[in-house]
This record gives sequence, C-alpha cells and structure tokens, in this order.
Amino acid sequence: QKEVEQDPGPLSVPEGAIVSLNCTYSNSAFQYFMWYRQYSRKGPELLMYTYSSGNKEDGRFTAQVDKSSKYISLFIRDSQPSDSATYLCATKDSGAGSYQLTFGKGTKLSVIP
Amino acid sequence: NAGVTQTPKFQVLKTGQSMTLQCAQDMNHEYMSWYRQDPGMGLRLIHYSVGAGITDQGEVPNGYNVSRSTTEDFPLRLLSAAPSQTSVYFCASSFGTGRPLDYGYTFGSGTRLTVV
Repeated sequence: QKEVEQDPGPLSVPEGAIVSLNCTYSNSAFQYFMWYRQYSRKGPELLMYTYSSGNKEDGRFTAQVDKSSKYISLFIRDSQPSDSATYLCATKDSGAGSYQLTFGKGTKLSVIP
Repeated sequence: NAGVTQTPKFQVLKTGQSMTLQCAQDMNHEYMSWYRQDPGMGLRLIHYSVGAGITDQGEVPNGYNVSRSTTEDFPLRLLSAAPSQTSVYFCASSFGTGRPLDYGYTFGSGTRLTVV
C-alpha cells in the first residue's frame, strides 16, 4: 500500500462550485501536510501547508488535516476556470534531517465556465 | 529571478545515447532532488542530495547518475537512454530544515524527454 493515496479523478465541476480534494495516508509519523498545484506542462507549485491537525485558510482555499483518521483535504470555494489543474497532496514526517516529501499521485480538476 | 532552472525544456534522444539534464537553483537550498512524472504513476524520486558532495538513490535510480559538486547545481545524467526513460523530469529543491514552510519544495519547469 502506497503511503499516500489520492483519487486521480478527473473531477469536473461548474464554475462557482465548492471543490473538495482528498488524500489518505498511512504513516502516523507524518506531521507536515502540503498541497501543490500543477498546471498543464508546468512544474508543481506549493499552494498550502499545514502542521499537525487543524485548518488553514488562504483566500478561497482551505486545507484541513484530521490526524485521527489520517485524512487530508483541500477545499476550493467559488471555483474558477483558472483553478483547473492537477492538485497533489504531500506529507513529511518530523524526523530531524528528514528532507523528503511523500506525494500523492494527484487529482486532475477541471472547472467548467 | 530566484528559483529552479532546468535545461533543456525538450529533448529527443535515440536509444543508447547519453545526455545530461541540468538543474540550478539560486536560493541556497540544501536539498535537491530529481523526479520523473509519468501518467498514472505520479512523481517518482530518482536521486537526491542533502548537500554538496552527498547524493543518494531514490525509488527509481537505475539508468541515471548524479553528482553535486556545488550547492547550486545538481545535474542528472542518462547513461544509455532507453524508451522506458521517456518522461517528464522535474528538479526540486528545499531548505529541508528550519520553519515548516522551508520543507516545501520549489520545482523547476521540467524537461520533456522522448527516447526513440
């Protein structure tokens, strides 16, 4: 079982919809959680990050972590066509000198005007 | 502009040829890594480095070689190209330590490689 599971989609929603993107993970040592956005033919870019459990909000985006169920979510409110991209979740443990992120495979999102 | 620069952006190779994919960062990042991204496979780690002179293998290292003589540069060498190495290659870097935000990777724009 891969350490981070993510539904690849594709997910298609109408403009203005609320989007929910999710990942599950298996390693209890993961403490840092991130979301990357990757536009077509571009490199991933860091969108949101959270530490441990709880919510973090940035404009239309909310990242949520539930460590008890090992569940990571990204919510996009009032979705726009410019949000069309592949979204990758990523996690990291808190070990000293542990540099590596573990990525999900990504969910492809299309927001239809 | 600060960031990760990858060259070339596109490359077509014949089977058996060798080449080097270049990666440079100007953010004084300690950690650098190479990934390949294939449809349905996600990002797979090829090699990584935690500092100049220090490299290690990732998940799919066979057929690739790396070195890191400076903090800024981390080239990826394909020793004898095979069609199975057709992919999009990304270089990524981070501070690796410090604030949680410093753990996040900065990615380059990628190199699209086709081996025929």
